[in-house]
Amino acid sequence: QSVLTQPPSVSGAPGQRVTISCTGSSSNIGAGYDVHWYQQLPGTAPKLLISDNNNRPSGVPDRISGSKSGTSASLAITGLQAEDEADYYCQSYDSSLSAYVFGGGTKLTVL
Amino acid sequence: QVHVVQSGTEVKKPGASVKVSCKASGYIFTNYAMHWVRQAPGQRLEWMGWINTGYGNTKYSKKFQGRVTITRDISASTAYMELSSLRSDDTALYYCARKPYSNGWYAFDYWGQGTLVTVSS
Repeated sequence: QSVLTQPPSVSGAPGQRVTISCTGSSSNIGAGYDVHWYQQLPGTAPKLLISDNNNRPSGVPDRISGSKSGTSASLAITGLQAEDEADYYCQSYDSSLSAYVFGGGTKLTVL
Repeated sequence: QVHVVQSGTEVKKPGASVKVSCKASGYIFTNYAMHWVRQAPGQRLEWMGWINTGYGNTKYSKKFQGRVTITRDISASTAYMELSSLRSDDTALYYCARKPYSNGWYAFDYWGQGTLVTVSS
C-alpha cells in the first residue's frame, strides 16, 4: 500500500487534456512538503518532469503542469501526444516515516 | 553535462549479497547527495536510503535498515549500494538518483540507468 495514492490508469485521445491525482496525508503533502512528478517511459529510468509542485525543468514542454492543494497534488497534460504514453509517479517526503515516498504510479494511455 | 552510470546486471543466489556502483560525472560529486531507489517488477518506486557524498554519513529506510549499506569513493566520484541476505523478493531494478542536499526537500534530478538484480536459486 502506497503512502501516496494515484489512480492506476488514465487515458485520453490525442490533443485532449488529462489529469493525474496524487493524494497524501497530513504527514507528507499536507505537512507542506513539496510534490515532484516523474515520467517513466517503457524500459527506461524515471525522468524528472515537475519539481517543487509546479516547476518544469529545462526541456519539459509548458503543456505539462503541476499543482498542489492541501493533502493532494495533480499533474496536468494538455494537447496529449503519443509520446506522452508512459507511467507517471508522484513523490514527496513523509515526516512520520522519515522517508521519501512515491505514489503507486499511473499508466497514461493515449488512445 | 550530468551523467550517472550504473554497473551491470547481477544474478545472485538467496542469502548472498550484491554491490551496485553508480559513477557520476559532469558535476562536483560532493555537492549533491546520492540516493538509492528500487523498483520490483510491475511495482512502485521504493526509496532505500542516501549518502552525504561529502561527509559519508548515511540514512536508510527502516525497511532496509540492517541489510543495506551505502558508501562512496570520492576519488572515483562513485557511490555504492550493497544489499545483503538477498531474497527472491529483492529481485528488482535498482536506481541511484542525485538530489540536492536538504532533508525532505528538492527532487531527484538525475537518475542512473538502473541495474537489474535477479535473486534466484
